[in-house]
Amino acid sequence: EDQVTQSPEALRLQEGESSSLNCSYTVSGLRGLFWYRQDPGKGPEFLFTLYSAGEEKEKERLKATLTKKESFLHITAPKPEDSATYLCAVQASGGSYIPTFGRGTSLIVHP
Amino acid sequence: NAGVMQNPRHLVRRRGQEARLRCSPMKGHSHVYWYRQLPEEGLKFMVYLQKENIIDESGMPKERFSAEFPKEGPSILRIQQVVRGDSAAYFCASSPQGKETQYFGPGTRLLVL
Repeated sequence: EDQVTQSPEALRLQEGESSSLNCSYTVSGLRGLFWYRQDPGKGPEFLFTLYSAGEEKEKERLKATLTKKESFLHITAPKPEDSATYLCAVQASGGSYIPTFGRGTSLIVHP
Repeated sequence: NAGVMQNPRHLVRRRGQEARLRCSPMKGHSHVYWYRQLPEEGLKFMVYLQKENIIDESGMPKERFSAEFPKEGPSILRIQQVVRGDSAAYFCASSPQGKETQYFGPGTRLLVL
């Protein structure tokens, strides 16, 4: 059974204080790993898809990296508007390609 | 390009009533997924549909819940005889052909009184 564990569950940062969110996964053949951002009362917003170990993607202050066992979402010099819950999901190759989601990391960035 | 649309955004039902949640996928997307999210929990997969076909319903309760995606019109998640435990946020996502990234709608928040 595919499993996704995100840590920490919650993270409080000061504006400008860089940090990383972790997504550890177990999957029988990884097809893709996804990062989403979810604001309160809204649907998940797609950020990145990573397909193979060593791959990296960047968007503004965010950078996602992937190894064979985990992914990191690095946040550089965060701003209060980066406050949200960040969700990680893995998609196994084969089957119906339904992604398995982690519980998310709730990030609060204080001004 | 309009995103995934869901309606209603909020739905209040009394125990025993029926709830119908609608989802229109992004233009060009023919695959629809339904998820349920409870407070402090992750997204739980319910059902995966293509036009006129249910591909995977392994996450959907066997009783009271059904889903369809007709040839014309939105996908519908139907919950019969709702109970308080059905209160949750229900999200729909779509993708072009099933293997790709899923894009989510804003969700329907169901409250059962």
